Amino acid sequence: NAGVTQTPKFRVLKTGQSMTLLCAQDMNHEYMYWYRQDPGMGLRLIHYSVGEGTTAKGEVPDGYNVSRLKKQNFLLGLESAAPSQTSVYFCASSDYRDKTGETQYFGPGTRLLVL
Amino acid sequence: DQQVKQNSPSLSVQEGRISILNCDYTNSMFDYFLWYKKYPAEGPTFLISISSIKDKNEDGRFTVFLNKSAKHLSLHIVPSQPGDSAVYFCAASARSTNAGKSTFGDGTTLTVKP
Repeated sequence: NAGVTQTPKFRVLKTGQSMTLLCAQDMNHEYMYWYRQDPGMGLRLIHYSVGEGTTAKGEVPDGYNVSRLKKQNFLLGLESAAPSQTSVYFCASSDYRDKTGETQYFGPGTRLLVL
Repeated sequence: DQQVKQNSPSLSVQEGRISILNCDYTNSMFDYFLWYKKYPAEGPTFLISISSIKDKNEDGRFTVFLNKSAKHLSLHIVPSQPGDSAVYFCAASARSTNAGKSTFGDGTTLTVKP
């Protein structure tokens, strides 16, 4: 099992450019999440999904869009990148059927720099 | 309003001694608490959790204590080892409402000195 993988690992964008971050999990988990982590801060939830075809806003959704067309994939899009979106992005998944359904499994992160 | 707070950004302890990491929360709806460990350039990994119906949970060198009346939990690592040096995140969840969502603290960087 690869667990949770994220593509790309690192990216540099210019202000106004767009990009998509890809998250894939092979654990058949229903729930998936996108977080951002800024220096000295915790993980802030951007968007999440409770199943294929569903998405919902988290704590800091502005400037981002998401899609969950397949159960195993969760895409995070930046339509017009801004320097304030420079951050490390983590994807995670969890399974409500686990006895500890809140336990989240994280990917290795995508480091994004917006110039 | 930060609902989960880790007031110590950093902690340094000697190898073999106890490490105590603290976490406070404000939301009374939280009923499940987790600790994650994060090494540089990696994603967080689950360490240990506790339900609000318990006040202690132990897993090897790691013990989490929950004081519901004080809305406080702590992670004890005994004995501490250099490999425990990492950032530790406290997280809290309200199981009845939350689709598995957790609210995270800002983290505490633990350094264990040989």
